Amino acid sequence: DSGVTQTPKHLITATGQRVTLRCSPRSGDLSVYWYQQSLDQGLQFLIQYYNGEERAKGNILERFSAQQFPDLHSELNLSSLELGDSALYFCASSPHEGNQPQHFGDGTRLSIL
Amino acid sequence: GESVGLHLPTLSVQEGDNSIINCAYSNSASDYFIWYKQESGKGPQFIIDIRSNMDKRQGQRVTVLLNKTVKHLSLQIAATQPGDSAVYFCAENKGQAGTALIFGKGTTLSVSS
Repeated sequence: DSGVTQTPKHLITATGQRVTLRCSPRSGDLSVYWYQQSLDQGLQFLIQYYNGEERAKGNILERFSAQQFPDLHSELNLSSLELGDSALYFCASSPHEGNQPQHFGDGTRLSIL
Repeated sequence: GESVGLHLPTLSVQEGDNSIINCAYSNSASDYFIWYKQESGKGPQFIIDIRSNMDKRQGQRVTVLLNKTVKHLSLQIAATQPGDSAVYFCAENKGQAGTALIFGKGTTLSVSS
């Protein structure tokens, strides 16, 4: 158990809809990262937050947004969903901003019908 | 562009053998490297990391070797066990551009008893 909690584990929805994925980092971790894992693209970095502030953006679509709340949990919002958004979405956390192991949750599997 | 690749998509070994999983990276500015293990239905699990000022680091049954001259990273697993069967990913940071990880495509390790 990594200590990172992601909910829900599975999400099935339709094209055009909007969903929110939730992540609770390990106790004491200030940095949260979101990654997308798909069969064709592998694991891709989406966005990073540190202590409530956005720190870095990767291959995140404009239809996607995220935030980190004062209690350090984070949410990833996906809107105007398309079939190609079907993937596993992982959250990872680390204590600080420096180079150190990121610990991953078990992900949310998003299926778009 | 920036990418982390793996030499072999699959590796099959016998229980008790030593396993070596290889990875090539392309970004000379990367200064932090990390190996993850991912089992089916789970998130990536941290195995071992290494910084660019080192060329070798050992953990419990695992060793990571870094050759910056040829931009090559390897993970050695001693006395491989059936429980080691999983997909293994190497990842690198973006150097001065931040701590988000760039993942390779993964090697599936199958251990037969």
